[in-house]
Amino acid sequence: DAGVIQSPRHEVTEMGQEVTLRCKPISGHDYLFWYRQTMMRGLELLIYFNNNVPIDDSGMPEDRFSAKMPNASFSTLKIQPSEPRDSAVYFCASSWDRVGTEAFFGQGTRLTVV
Amino acid sequence: AQKVTQAQTEISVVEKEDVTLDCVYETRDTTYYLFWYKQPPSGELVFLIRRNSFDEQNEISGRYSWNFQKSTSSFNFTITASQVVDSAVYFCALSEEAGRRALTFGSGTRLQVQP
Repeated sequence: DAGVIQSPRHEVTEMGQEVTLRCKPISGHDYLFWYRQTMMRGLELLIYFNNNVPIDDSGMPEDRFSAKMPNASFSTLKIQPSEPRDSAVYFCASSWDRVGTEAFFGQGTRLTVV
Repeated sequence: AQKVTQAQTEISVVEKEDVTLDCVYETRDTTYYLFWYKQPPSGELVFLIRRNSFDEQNEISGRYSWNFQKSTSSFNFTITASQVVDSAVYFCALSEEAGRRALTFGSGTRLQVQP
């Protein structure tokens, strides 16, 4: 398997624009996680899904952020409208449905909002 | 609530020195899982090890070893004879059986190994 695949790897956008980040989890994994990494806040969980259903979205910063998982092989994280403080590296990760299993991370998307 | 603390922000050593990265955790669950991840300069997060709360045996893998002590809520990571390629940010993480499934990460320790 190719691992978790994220696109794009880099995104530069202007404030106010809509941004969509994409993720393809590892085939057979039942959990999908979206994390954000910044210098100030470190690695923080935004939302996670189990079998395509959102389980915990308490980490989503505000209504400008939304995430979907229409099927087992695809998820999106959308920011609309984007703001400079959204600049960060966004990671997608996936894991099997076994308690205590490790999560496998994608390469991340580096988002810069100017 | 679960919490992971990595008090060492940055450590700098000279190649071949041994180095220990500290990790202290908090959880109310009796069953939980601890992890270490490595983030090299290229940016990806690489899984290193997982430990469950029932297994306090120390583990050694090559130059890496892990010391899990429930009595002090610590899960420390030692690199023996460090190498320049070990330079990275290392994250400790926790997940719970009854609580949140997702990993809660510490703030990370940046390790610089000088030649």
